[in-house]
Amino acid sequence: NAGVMQNPRHLVRRRGQEARLRCSPMKGHSHVYWYRQLPEEGLKFMVYLQKENIIDESGMPKERFSAEFPKEGPSILRIQQVVRGDSAAYFCASSLTGATEAFFGQGTRLTVV
Amino acid sequence: AQRVTQPEKLLSVFKGAPVELKCNYSYSGSPELFWYVQYSRQRLQLLLRHISRESIKGFTADLNKGETSFHLKKPFAQEEDSAMYYCALRRDAGNMLTFGGGTRLMVKP
Repeated sequence: NAGVMQNPRHLVRRRGQEARLRCSPMKGHSHVYWYRQLPEEGLKFMVYLQKENIIDESGMPKERFSAEFPKEGPSILRIQQVVRGDSAAYFCASSLTGATEAFFGQGTRLTVV
Repeated sequence: AQRVTQPEKLLSVFKGAPVELKCNYSYSGSPELFWYVQYSRQRLQLLLRHISRESIKGFTADLNKGETSFHLKKPFAQEEDSAMYYCALRRDAGNMLTFGGGTRLMVKP
């Protein structure tokens, strides 16, 4: 089991472009969580998804950010019209159920220039 | 609202010295608390959780509801303990975690 896989590991975007971050959960896991870590800060919860459903998006910015976890394929965190303040490390975690241990990916470091 | 505070960004100790990484929380419900560790160039991984009352790699943490604290302790630090440590609180339902800002532990030879 390769663990939670995130790609790309590093992503550079110009202001105004779109960023797409992918997360493949561990095999058999159907619960996915996205976190954002701004420089010098801790991880902050963004969104919790279960296959094809958004369970909790209380940490997602209201505009420009969206997430999905389709029936087939990885979970995608999409940021439209990126701004410099979106520069951060984005971590994905997955778990077997909503109550079991969540395992983290290595993160995607987004830099907006 | 829940909040987790780690007051020290950096803690530097010598090998063999005792270590205590502080964590305080605020939460209106019954908390479930965790410590995560991130070694250099590795992914974040669970170190221990308060409900297990276990010792992992010599580390222990006791939940003190009166002081709303969950400090991580180890009696004798090792160089391989150098890493980022995050305290986290689990919200009511599901696996959503509220993290503290992290403490970088440096163990000097």
